[in-house]
Amino acid sequence: DAKTTQPNSMESNEEEPVHLPCNHSTISGTDYIHWYRQLPSQGPEYVIHGLTSNVNNRMASLAIAEDRKSSTLILHRATLRDAAVYYCILRDVYSNQGGKLIFGQGTELSVKP
Amino acid sequence: GAVVSQHPSRVICKSGTSVKIECRSLDFQATTMFWYRQFPKQSLMLMATSNEGSKATYEQGVEKDKFLINHASLTLSTLTVTSAHPEDSSFYICSAPTGQAWGTDTQYFGPGTRLTVL
Repeated sequence: DAKTTQPNSMESNEEEPVHLPCNHSTISGTDYIHWYRQLPSQGPEYVIHGLTSNVNNRMASLAIAEDRKSSTLILHRATLRDAAVYYCILRDVYSNQGGKLIFGQGTELSVKP
Repeated sequence: GAVVSQHPSRVICKSGTSVKIECRSLDFQATTMFWYRQFPKQSLMLMATSNEGSKATYEQGVEKDKFLINHASLTLSTLTVTSAHPEDSSFYICSAPTGQAWGTDTQYFGPGTRLTVL
């Protein structure tokens, strides 16, 4: 699966929107963009995924650049409970990797009250 | 959503002993499960793919004789750390995919098991 690049850390204020960027310049046409997050001392949890169009769910929104070389996870109103490490991962639908996830370093988001 | 449990949540053992960690999919069947290890302040590292009814597939550099994986049913995978040493102390996490096509499937993760080897 293609590689992603994320900032190591970001800060946000509570109740403000947060935009978490991810660069994936070598993305292929069959790569889906997935986001997971890991709260302290817990297993990761799925946040959102998309292919080309922007996606929304109850947790977040995913904005995908037109050339798909970058994407942004948007938390509309950050809460203290959103403090976590956010991982951007590419998943190739035709991958022979058997469905496994390969985690990069992710972005550690801190939220200030 | 689907739930994956792990047991125990934390375990402390003496050097040289073996420790078994269970991973269960509570409301869905999982023919495949994954085991990860995470050291403090580091990302998750995939250790192996657990396959129901067949041998596990280990990632490069992971000792298969030290980390024994058994996937005896569609809802249970176990990881046994044999002859544990202090350097095996880590956070062990399992996951199970939803079974959709690989690009679109999502994975459910267990809460993790904190292993401390004295």
